[in-house]
Amino acid sequence: ETGVTQTPRHLVMGMTNKKSLKCEQHLGHNAMYWYKQSAKKPLELMFVYSLEERVENNSVPSRFSPECPNSSHLFLHLHTLQPEDSALYLCASSQELAGIITDTQYFGPGTRLTVL
Amino acid sequence: TQLLEQSPQFLSIQEGENLTVYCNSSSVFSSLQWYRQEPGEGPVLLVTVVTGGEVKKLKRLTFQFGDARKDSSLHITAAQPGDTGLYLCAGDAGGTSYGKLTFGQGTILTVHP
Repeated sequence: ETGVTQTPRHLVMGMTNKKSLKCEQHLGHNAMYWYKQSAKKPLELMFVYSLEERVENNSVPSRFSPECPNSSHLFLHLHTLQPEDSALYLCASSQELAGIITDTQYFGPGTRLTVL
Repeated sequence: TQLLEQSPQFLSIQEGENLTVYCNSSSVFSSLQWYRQEPGEGPVLLVTVVTGGEVKKLKRLTFQFGDARKDSSLHITAAQPGDTGLYLCAGDAGGTSYGKLTFGQGTILTVHP
């Protein structure tokens, strides 16, 4: 248990579906992240939220829409995905210090997404 | 764009053998982290190295940060089946990069009994 939980753990969806991934951290951190982990590719940073403001959007297609209602919760809303979006989606949190020091990132277990 | 080249990508060894995983870049990092990831789980931090030339030991694992802070290595002595997993290195550019870690491709280690 790293203090970061993700639901659901597995998700199968069609290309026309709308679904959401949820992440919750119980560590009191002020920064949260979404990563995509595909086979044979390095972990890709998608979004970063610091103090509930999005500070990084790493050229992610608009069919992925993040939401951070408070410092403990992070969502990833999915709409009209493509089969190539199938991957493990990981959430992480950390304690940022004025954006200068990157502290340890604690990862959740991930959501295994399959797009049919 | 900063890149981290991690090698080898796959490593299959017998219990008791030693191994080294390498992480190389042309970029300088303010710190470098090593993670281990098991199937069905997220990466778990093993160590962070910050100072050029730094060596850290964690039981049978030895981590080294290059003098120029562009490369790092992970050495495992007398590997055990419990060491099996995906090992990831990640570099932090520092400054105002808002926690942007650059990850290597990972090394899948299998230790056979």
